[in-house]
Amino acid sequence: GQQLNQSPQSMFIQEGEDVSMNCTSSSIFNTWLWYKQDPGEGPVLLIALYKAGELTSNGRLTAQFGITRKDSFLNISASIPSDVGIYFCAGLSNGPNFGNEKLTFGTGTRLTIIP
Amino acid sequence: DTEVTQTPKHLVMGMTNKKSLKCEQHMGHRAMYWYKQKAKKPPELMFVYSYEKLSINESVPSRFSPECPNSSLLNLHLHALQPEDSALYLCASSQGQPNWANVLTFGAGSRLTVL
Repeated sequence: GQQLNQSPQSMFIQEGEDVSMNCTSSSIFNTWLWYKQDPGEGPVLLIALYKAGELTSNGRLTAQFGITRKDSFLNISASIPSDVGIYFCAGLSNGPNFGNEKLTFGTGTRLTIIP
Repeated sequence: DTEVTQTPKHLVMGMTNKKSLKCEQHMGHRAMYWYKQKAKKPPELMFVYSYEKLSINESVPSRFSPECPNSSLLNLHLHALQPEDSALYLCASSQGQPNWANVLTFGAGSRLTVL
C-alpha cells in the first residue's frame, strides 16, 4: 500500500524560529494536503496543493508540491505558541470512480515550542 | 455552515453494548468518510460513502456498521467492540464531484473507550 514518510517526527523550537518539515512517498499523488491537529480535535486543513511544482502560501505557512509528485514540504516562519500541535501531510489519490478518493496520511510531525 | 459536527464527543461502552456515532454536515458535500485514529498515529480510513452509497470499505470488521441515511448524515453503529477498538473516530466530508480535488473537511471526532 501507499506510505507517506514524514520528517522530522518531532521538533522542539523556540518561539520566533522558522520550521521546516517534509513528506515523501513511494507513490505519486494528484493532490498534497497539509493538516494541523490539536489534542482531542480533528485535523484542520492548512494548505492544499494541486499541481506538481506549485508553491502556495497561507500567512506564515508555505508549502510546495514536489516536481516528481512524490514529495512535499511545509515551512512555518516566525513560529508562535499557537503553532504547537501535530502536522500531517496527506496525499490524495483518485479512484476509478468519483467519490472514491483516498486520503493517505503521513506519520506526523509533533511541534513543541520551548519557553 | 462550513462544519462537520460529530456526536457524542466522548463515549464509554462495554463490550456487549450497542451504540452509534453520528456525523452531520450541511455544506452540500456528497462524499462522507469515517476514519479511526489511535493515539500518536495518523488517521486511518475505514469507510467512504459517495452519493449515499458505500464506495470504499477498508476491510473493517463487521462489528462496525456504517449507515448514510441521507446526504447530510453519516452514522457508525457499534456492536460487540473490543478494548483495542478504543480510539478517536473522525468523520469527514468532501465535494464528491468528478474531476474535483476533493479536499476533506474533518469533524472534531468522537473519543471512544471500550471497557
